[in-house]
Amino acid sequence: GAVVSQHPSRVICKSGTSVKIECRSLDFQATTMFWYRQFPKQSLMLMATSNEGSKATYEQGVEKDKFLINHASLTLSTLTVTSAHPEDSSFYICSARDPAGEVETQYFGPGTRLLVL
Amino acid sequence: DAKTTQPPSMDCAEGRAANLPCNHSTISGNEYVYWYRQIHSQGPQYIIHGLKNNETNEMASLIITEDRKSSTLILPHATLRDTAVYYCIVRVASTASKLTFGTGTRLQVTL
Repeated sequence: GAVVSQHPSRVICKSGTSVKIECRSLDFQATTMFWYRQFPKQSLMLMATSNEGSKATYEQGVEKDKFLINHASLTLSTLTVTSAHPEDSSFYICSARDPAGEVETQYFGPGTRLLVL
Repeated sequence: DAKTTQPPSMDCAEGRAANLPCNHSTISGNEYVYWYRQIHSQGPQYIIHGLKNNETNEMASLIITEDRKSSTLILPHATLRDTAVYYCIVRVASTASKLTFGTGTRLQVTL
């Protein structure tokens, strides 16, 4: 299947700082990428849909000014957690939609574990 | 997208077939059945998907009932590395529609 990478794999930061997470589709072009968050022992929750060249679409309850998304190219989307606080500590996972094939499928990155002190 | 119901957990002996059920009784005619799995501390991995015919790939087989109200993911020879949470998701595939993750089935493969 298609490959999606994320960087960094884990990050520790101080409260009040901003953290940028990158999501790349390595062998296909993705017009649409998705950002999820997963707290311990819970399922994945969709945060936002990132569309190349346009504004992201955020799910209800997700602050767009806190979680900045940029999808500047067909292979890269970034999520910036601004003014991070301990409650933002979580596992952040991106996915990219591969439009090739009979039925489009989403492929996931390995995730980024964020710890805010 | 239609909701799905999966057992919270299952055990399987290594080398035996793991059969993971999923109920999706409200599935619509244009909705596909997707299966993903998530190994601990990793991102979800795509396994297989189908519309109404049974499907097989190098990872698993997907059996969909004739009325499409339920399906079974089959791992023919489970190994310890197949221990994971398995998610059955139903969605329309013709749009950039979202994947809505439920609680899945936690499969534990044992020696």
